[in-house]
Amino acid sequence: QKEVEQNSGPLSVPEGAIASLNCTYSDRGSQSFFWYRQYSGKSPELIMSIYSNGDKEDGRFTAQLNKASQYVSLLIRDSQPSDSATYLCALQRAGSYQLTFGKGTKLSVIP
Amino acid sequence: DAGVTQSPTHLIKTRGQHVTLRCSPISGHKSVSWYQQVLGQGPQFIFQYYEKEERGRGNFPDRFSARQFPNYSSELNVNALLLGDSALYLCASSRGDNQPQHFGDGTRLSIL
Repeated sequence: QKEVEQNSGPLSVPEGAIASLNCTYSDRGSQSFFWYRQYSGKSPELIMSIYSNGDKEDGRFTAQLNKASQYVSLLIRDSQPSDSATYLCALQRAGSYQLTFGKGTKLSVIP
Repeated sequence: DAGVTQSPTHLIKTRGQHVTLRCSPISGHKSVSWYQQVLGQGPQFIFQYYEKEERGRGNFPDRFSARQFPNYSSELNVNALLLGDSALYLCASSRGDNQPQHFGDGTRLSIL
């Protein structure tokens, strides 16, 4: 079983819709969870961090964490064509600096 | 404030050569990590340094080495380059444990 699993996509949603990106992980020692956005040919850009169970909202983005189910998700409301990118899920064990990434989900927002 | 800066942005080398990549963290960040990203994959952890000490090492051969300087900048060195070392090399900095890591623009290394 891979440490961090993401559906590689592509996930296509129409402009204005909600995009739902999912990530499961196997390491129960994971404490910190991050979502990065990566445009083609660019470096990852941090968009959300979440540390405790529940929802965390920031603008059009909502991160959801369920440690019992080992599941973290990212919702993007009112999706825009500029949201088209690869979204990387990353996690970090307590006391560690190392990020473990999934392969990423490619999102395409259709105008 | 300036973000994480990396140099050079692009580099072309041939097999067997060595390369040095450089990184300056965000001001106030004492932790620097290096990642390798090949096309279609997420970044893979190579090294992490905090206060000039190596705190973690990923599953990479000894051809890969790094160091951190008193001003918290860092270098990644790769010897005896192989074709498979062609990748985007990313540097990330953070304030400390379990704090978000912020990435630089990366160095794209091509091995011919």
